[in-house]
Amino acid sequence: DGGITQSPKYLFRKEGQNVTLSCEQNLNHDAMYWYRQDPGQGLRLIYYSQIVNDFQKGDIAEGYSVSREKKESFPLTVTSAQKNPTAFYLCASSMFERGTKETQYFGPGTRLLVL
Amino acid sequence: RKEVEQDPGPFNVPEGATVAFNCTYSNSASQSFFWYRQDCRKEPKLLMSVYSSGNEDGRFTAQLNRASQYISLLIRDSKLSDSATYLCVVRGAYNQGGKLIFGQGTELSVKP
Repeated sequence: DGGITQSPKYLFRKEGQNVTLSCEQNLNHDAMYWYRQDPGQGLRLIYYSQIVNDFQKGDIAEGYSVSREKKESFPLTVTSAQKNPTAFYLCASSMFERGTKETQYFGPGTRLLVL
Repeated sequence: RKEVEQDPGPFNVPEGATVAFNCTYSNSASQSFFWYRQDCRKEPKLLMSVYSSGNEDGRFTAQLNRASQYISLLIRDSKLSDSATYLCVVRGAYNQGGKLIFGQGTELSVKP
């Protein structure tokens, strides 16, 4: 089955702890994205990567870090600098071609809760 | 002003009703447009792309008015299974990296 997987489904973070959220895709998509969703709000872009070994900050990158060492994988680390990390985190991927109508496909998400 | 704004919800309608969602976007250079559906505590899923000429998929019709920077989604003969949050999504201008910009969503609840 082709798709995007995220793990874990639920994650608990203690104060001062860094945690890493996993995102893997086998769709052969070039681009991958991380979003955060808070209750009653739209998705906000954290980081995105259009190609391996390159990534760009989104609108709310502070307190987060990413890596893109493989095309299939785009893990997100929520650092202790992120003071309000409780949210629903969504990973997405797409083919990347400038000027096309390509859209993004989402993984099932990870809910992060602070203890 | 938000880049993408949707009707505030929720919309509560009976089965069989016709319901319309509206969305406006602020950047006239936006490239492409989509409607996503998000079920409670699930990921968003693409419902349909929106084309300049308007397009239909079964009970769903999407319209785009570039001059007014306005997008709509019409659902006819609502089903209980249509209950979800509907997200208006706009691809930003080329010089914005073509990123997707999401509206806050409009919740639909279809009642028996």
